[in-house]
Amino acid sequence: EPEVTQTPSHQVTQMGQEVILRCVPISNHLYFYWYRQILGQKVEFLVSFYNNEISEKSEIFDDQFSVERPDGSNFTLKIRSTKLEDSAMYFCASSEARSNTGELFFGEGSRLTVL
Amino acid sequence: AQSVAQPEDQVNVAEGNPLTVKCTYSVSGNPYLFWYVQYPNRGLQFLLKYITGDNLVKGSYGFEAEFNKSQTSFHLKKPSALVSDSALYFCAVRDSNTDKLIFGTGTRLQVFP
Repeated sequence: EPEVTQTPSHQVTQMGQEVILRCVPISNHLYFYWYRQILGQKVEFLVSFYNNEISEKSEIFDDQFSVERPDGSNFTLKIRSTKLEDSAMYFCASSEARSNTGELFFGEGSRLTVL
Repeated sequence: AQSVAQPEDQVNVAEGNPLTVKCTYSVSGNPYLFWYVQYPNRGLQFLLKYITGDNLVKGSYGFEAEFNKSQTSFHLKKPSALVSDSALYFCAVRDSNTDKLIFGTGTRLQVFP
């Protein structure tokens, strides 16, 4: 069964450092998302991406965050200068062709720890 | 703006008993409703969704959910709980005008032997 894969599974970084989280969505999916979850609690929307551009973003997704689809398979989230409060589990998700009735398929997550 | 509420932080139920995990929503357009489950240190797994049609939808692992438009609710149910159902359950909503899926705060289900 196709799945969303994420790397790294866990990254520890110093405050102020840049971090790139990588995702490989399901191959025929066209919508891509990043969510984050702090301490196993609420799952918060960060950004959605379609047709090589951001379609929606939350207030959390400020200038320190960016997303990119550098090739036909990867979808990355970059945090330019990490803060302590960026420590969270980051989930990538994808869904099929343009339809907001479709479910999202999530990866296993990348745990980011900022020291 | 869309939102979803899960009023219970935790639900405890004995194995073999029926379970209900509550969810209410608020959207401006037509609601598209979803339930996800998260096991420890894992990603979110899709259980079921309501888009249109029958108010009772059936999903994975014997779960079902009932859409109630007048009460703006979408409660998750299972007739007979298993210990292996113990996990964190998230209700989510998307309205017809947006792409993003908004999640509730989650309800931890604990099924005791």
